Amino acid sequence: LAKTTQPISMDSYEGQEVNITCSHNNIATNDYITWYQQFPSQGPRFIIQGYKTKVTNEVASLFIPADRKSSTLSLPRVSLSDTAVYYCLMGSGAGSYQLTFGKGTKLSVIP
Amino acid sequence: GAGVSQSPSNKVTEKGKDVELRCDPISGHTALYWYRQSLGQGLEFLIYFQGNSAPDKSGLPSDRFSAERTGGSVSTLTIQRTQQEDSAVYLCASSLRGLGNTEAFFGQGTRLTVV
Repeated sequence: LAKTTQPISMDSYEGQEVNITCSHNNIATNDYITWYQQFPSQGPRFIIQGYKTKVTNEVASLFIPADRKSSTLSLPRVSLSDTAVYYCLMGSGAGSYQLTFGKGTKLSVIP
Repeated sequence: GAGVSQSPSNKVTEKGKDVELRCDPISGHTALYWYRQSLGQGLEFLIYFQGNSAPDKSGLPSDRFSAERTGGSVSTLTIQRTQQEDSAVYLCASSLRGLGNTEAFFGQGTRLTVV
């Protein structure tokens, strides 16, 4: 299965933009890149998904370079409520279906 | 229902007892996943269902673990002869497709404590 690598933790002050980068060197042609957010004592929640270039929604932006070997989740103007663990996943491609979560990045937003 | 529902939310059991964890996925979602999350750890994949069949059971940690899904809807994860290392939060998720490139919706989980 495709493997992802993310920083274990990050700190940020309120109001700043946070960028979390995920490496996925062996991403397959059919794989999408998906990011989830998990608060303590809750199940993960879908944030954003993309295949290439840039995707933006009301919560975040996702930047994917042309080689697709990495991706960057960008959270604009974070607040204390954005403190959570963020997971980067790759879809395993057509014919496969396992959503494999890595250890994630624990983001701590500081007042 | 509006989301994925799991029951019970908390379960304390004695070592050696059997437990059943239930998951009600979002209506119409054909794919259903079970994960396990130990304290402070990431999510460990257990099993995946597409409809009632489980094409991928590779994550089940031992033969004490089993799961079934009936009517393409409710799923039950059973742990026999529970051990203390089984203590964790068990999370269920469902999605419209199981190709790994769609949005999965998670329940709140069942916190299992084996004493």
